[in-house]
Amino acid sequence: DQQVKQNSPSLSVQEGRISILNCDYTNSMFDYFLWYKKYPAEGPTFLISISSIKDKNEDGRFTVFLNKSAKHLSLHIVPSQPGDSAVYFCAASGLVGALIFGKGTTLSVSS
Amino acid sequence: EAEVAQSPRYKITEKSQAVAFWCDPISGHATLYWYRQILGQGPELLVQFQDESVVDDSQLPKDRFSAERLKGVDSTLKIQPAELGDSAMYLCASSPTSGGGGELFFGEGSRLTVL
Repeated sequence: DQQVKQNSPSLSVQEGRISILNCDYTNSMFDYFLWYKKYPAEGPTFLISISSIKDKNEDGRFTVFLNKSAKHLSLHIVPSQPGDSAVYFCAASGLVGALIFGKGTTLSVSS
Repeated sequence: EAEVAQSPRYKITEKSQAVAFWCDPISGHATLYWYRQILGQGPELLVQFQDESVVDDSQLPKDRFSAERLKGVDSTLKIQPAELGDSAMYLCASSPTSGGGGELFFGEGSRLTVL
């Protein structure tokens, strides 16, 4: 049973527009949520994170929103750039233990 | 910039053969992870080490997979015998912390194809 779900396998956005990637989770014991970005033939790279005591974290063009009551988080990328085209993974963990990943969403940004 | 090193990058083998992957984490990172990523899926944890000790290997198919980190530095993941369903990307990651939302640093991965 998947604890971290990314229900949209793909998303296409035009350059300059906002990209919104969504993630749902089932385990209310998760304390940390992270987003990773992955290019083909490379390992995932860390993008941004948020702890469960916050509802928003911002880093440049990237903002993560957490709605604990809905067990939902989202990653906003504004403005989107062609170089943002990649697979984005949502991941979660408790106070200890490894990250649990979703299946990923492939973002395509067209110029 | 320090990186997680993995080898080989690509491995093609026939089923029933043995295969091994090596990982050298970022210096000073006590926690090391092996993940497996099947095409179209997210990374799934196989094993987590804290120094030389196994913290979590609950998802490791122990009848054919083994992992070790003898001196608490580099690590080897072995599959014997390999099966067709083992075709995947094997990712190694390290972290200076043992969970708690700490960032994991991933290597480039080892792509295994079992024929």
